[in-house]
Amino acid sequence: EAQVTQNPRYLITVTGKKLTVTCSQNMNHEYMSWYRQDPGLGLRQIYYSMNVEVTDKGDVPEGYKVSRKEKRNFPLILESPSPNQTSLYFCASSFGGITGELFFGEGSRLTVL
Amino acid sequence: AQSVTQLDSQVPVFEEAPVELRCNYSSSVSVYLFWYVQYPNQGLQLLLKYLSGSTLVKGINGFEAEFNKSQTSFHLRKPSVHISDTAEYFCAVRFRGSQGNLIFGKGTKLSVKP
Repeated sequence: EAQVTQNPRYLITVTGKKLTVTCSQNMNHEYMSWYRQDPGLGLRQIYYSMNVEVTDKGDVPEGYKVSRKEKRNFPLILESPSPNQTSLYFCASSFGGITGELFFGEGSRLTVL
Repeated sequence: AQSVTQLDSQVPVFEEAPVELRCNYSSSVSVYLFWYVQYPNQGLQLLLKYLSGSTLVKGINGFEAEFNKSQTSFHLRKPSVHISDTAEYFCAVRFRGSQGNLIFGKGTKLSVKP
């Protein structure tokens, strides 16, 4: 089954404790992206990757890091989480190009205390 | 600046009534337009998209949308909604010449009441 898998789905952590949210897709997609969703703000792009070893900042990259060492994986790293990073995070992928449909994971709800 | 505006944050409607969710964008270049739906506790899935050709596009679950270039709009419609249509709906735009990033509106919560 074609899917985007995120882990963990739910996480409560404390300020400053490094964490990684993993994202993996099995569709051989070139393009991958991370979004955060906050009430009243919709989805905002954090980082995206056009292909392996190619990453770029989205609209809200501060406090986040990403890497794309393999085509299928695109982890999101919070080196020193803060309460304002409490949010619902979505990973998405597509074949790339400007007409391709984005496929989304089920989301990771992160709470930073 | 390129932007996407969903004019209604919440739309309550009774079952079997028609509904229209509004979306406008601002751009001086050609665009590709999408509507996504997010059911409670799930990720987003594509409802429909406009790339070119006929300005009326049909999607899943009986939804359709019409691209209006002069009004820079892409409103989503359904003639008769069901309880199961209760969800949040996102309009999204890709601008020609961009790197393919989707810009999302802030979403419209559709609440269908019996």
